Amino acid sequence: AQSVAQPEDQVNVAEGNPLTVKCTYSVSGNPYLFWYVQYPNRGLQFLLKYITGDNLVKGSYGFEAEFNKSQTSFHLKKPSALVSDSALYFCAVRPRRGSQGNLIFGKGTKLSVKP
Amino acid sequence: DAEITQSPRHKITETGRQVTLACHQTWNHNNMFWYRQDLGHGLRLIHYSYGVQDTNKGEVSDGYSVSRSNTEDLPLTLESAASSQTSVYFCASSDSAGFHEQYFGPGTRLTVT
Repeated sequence: AQSVAQPEDQVNVAEGNPLTVKCTYSVSGNPYLFWYVQYPNRGLQFLLKYITGDNLVKGSYGFEAEFNKSQTSFHLKKPSALVSDSALYFCAVRPRRGSQGNLIFGKGTKLSVKP
Repeated sequence: DAEITQSPRHKITETGRQVTLACHQTWNHNNMFWYRQDLGHGLRLIHYSYGVQDTNKGEVSDGYSVSRSNTEDLPLTLESAASSQTSVYFCASSDSAGFHEQYFGPGTRLTVT
């Protein structure tokens, strides 16, 4: 079965430090890869995506993600965390074949950035 | 600006009642989706549509139905609300091509008592 794993339920980081939120997937082929962020009582907001090309993808709010094909991972990163980055982060993948628009979501990682 | 809206934002209903949650998008997207979000489960797909008159069951479709009579709207109906359907519901839309991201509405918090 196709799946997305976010191995950490919560990540705690001090403001100014780099952050990483991990994502691995088990999906056949080379899927499209996405990161979303959810602030309290809000819908999900798109952060960035990997389609093809450079393995390092840059997105909104200074976030970037690194695609690693051999490890089937797509970790979200930011060089210097802000308190305002505290939110729930979701990784999602979509197979390139057979599924026109359906995303497979991970269960989410809560990021807490302390001053 | 294009947007996706949901109504109502909050709803309390009784067990056994029929409930309809509205979703309206002005992106002119062909694809529309309904998800529910519950602690420990992340987002689960309920139903989806790839265009007018097209509807498909998702991972957790039992007890829910949708209809797509135009491009802009995909209402979600709970035929006979159950306490297990207490959740936060999100609607989303996207362009047809697979590399396009989905745009999410603000959500509807539904409580079934």
